[in-house]
Amino acid sequence: ETGVTQSPTHLIKTRGQQVTLRCSSQSGHNTVSWYQQALGQGPQFIFQYYREEENGRGNFPPRFSGLQFPNYSSELNVNALELDDSALYLCASSVQGNSPLHFGNGTRLTVT
Amino acid sequence: QKEVEQDPGPLSVPEGAIVSLNCTYSNSAFQYFMWYRQYSRKGPELLMYTYSSGNKEDGRFTAQVDKSSKYISLFIRDSQPSDSATYLCARLSNTDKLIFGTGTRLQVFP
Repeated sequence: ETGVTQSPTHLIKTRGQQVTLRCSSQSGHNTVSWYQQALGQGPQFIFQYYREEENGRGNFPPRFSGLQFPNYSSELNVNALELDDSALYLCASSVQGNSPLHFGNGTRLTVT
Repeated sequence: QKEVEQDPGPLSVPEGAIVSLNCTYSNSAFQYFMWYRQYSRKGPELLMYTYSSGNKEDGRFTAQVDKSSKYISLFIRDSQPSDSATYLCARLSNTDKLIFGTGTRLQVFP
């Protein structure tokens, strides 16, 4: 059974740029969620996708957007990067309505 | 007040000690709780999940939920240096999102 995989593992971007992070769900999982984890903090919910539709969103601005594909893989896009966007971005997959969530190892984004 | 509060530590204990990690929560509406372990430079790894009050045991780990005091605990028996990590408690909301505490950093020294 393949777990959740994320790419890239590390990324450095400049303020104002755009970034795309990718996630492959665990086999058999149809729901993907994205979380942002700042240094020394717990993960914060960004949004969740189920059947290619956004299914819940946390307190993040519209410049954070996502996609889920028919194979349940997903992308997180962030436009107009700000310094505070520097964080570990975690993808988690699950079966809809049936927790728990299984996380990937994240993408470490640094915005300079 | 945050929905899930957790002491950030660090907590430093000798090998073999019993470790107690605690969280409090403020919203009684939904009571599905999880504990995750996160090693440095890794994603959170699910340790245990529990619904409603009572204890749940898995090897050296015991999760406990006290609804009356809105308190959740994770006990680690016979702690090992390999248990050194950050432990995150989380509550599952009714919209299927996890609400995490800040995490407690645990260091088990030989």
